[in-house]
Amino acid sequence: DAGVTQSPTHLIKTRGQQVTLRCSPKSGHDTVSWYQQALGQGPQFIFQYYEEEERQRGNFPDRFSGHQFPNYSSELNVNALLLGDSALYLCASSVPGLANEQFFGPGTRLTVL
Amino acid sequence: EDQVTQSPEALRLQEGESSSLNCSYTVSGLRGLFWYRQDPGKGPEFLFTLYSAGEEKEKERLKATLTKKESFLHITAPKPEDSATYLCAVLNSGGYQKVTFGTGTKLQVIP
Repeated sequence: DAGVTQSPTHLIKTRGQQVTLRCSPKSGHDTVSWYQQALGQGPQFIFQYYEEEERQRGNFPDRFSGHQFPNYSSELNVNALLLGDSALYLCASSVPGLANEQFFGPGTRLTVL
Repeated sequence: EDQVTQSPEALRLQEGESSSLNCSYTVSGLRGLFWYRQDPGKGPEFLFTLYSAGEEKEKERLKATLTKKESFLHITAPKPEDSATYLCAVLNSGGYQKVTFGTGTKLQVIP
């Protein structure tokens, strides 16, 4: 049983560029959450997708947007990249009603130069 | 706003030396408290969910407990492979599934 997968593993961009990160949830999971984890910090909630809609959002600007597809996979898009966007971006999947036992992917390491 | 504070920030133990990690939380109605283990450069690995004060869960050398204001992760006779960052997180009963994480405790177990 494949767990949560993310691509790419690493990414290097320059300021002002746009980036798209991808996530496939664990089999049987229909809810995807995205987190940003800066070095030495805990993950910060960006938003969550369920039934192809953004269900809840954390304190992140509109430069951060997402999408969920009918097969439950998801994308995270970040526009107008800033140096401060450099972080590990984590995707987590879960099944509603199970008290949010989230299973995380390996993450995408984004470096903005 | 929900808050999670973990202590200590870092802990160094000799192999076999038992200890506890602390997670203090403030949340408007607790739906669940979670413990995760994170190895460097990897995603968090789910360990436990605790739902109500007094609850305890165990897995190998780890035991998690919960009170109304804090949770403890007890590590009994740790081994070097237990070295990792341990993250605590809470989910409140108001919103959907916005989970708030602490900054973690970095544990190093020395042979």
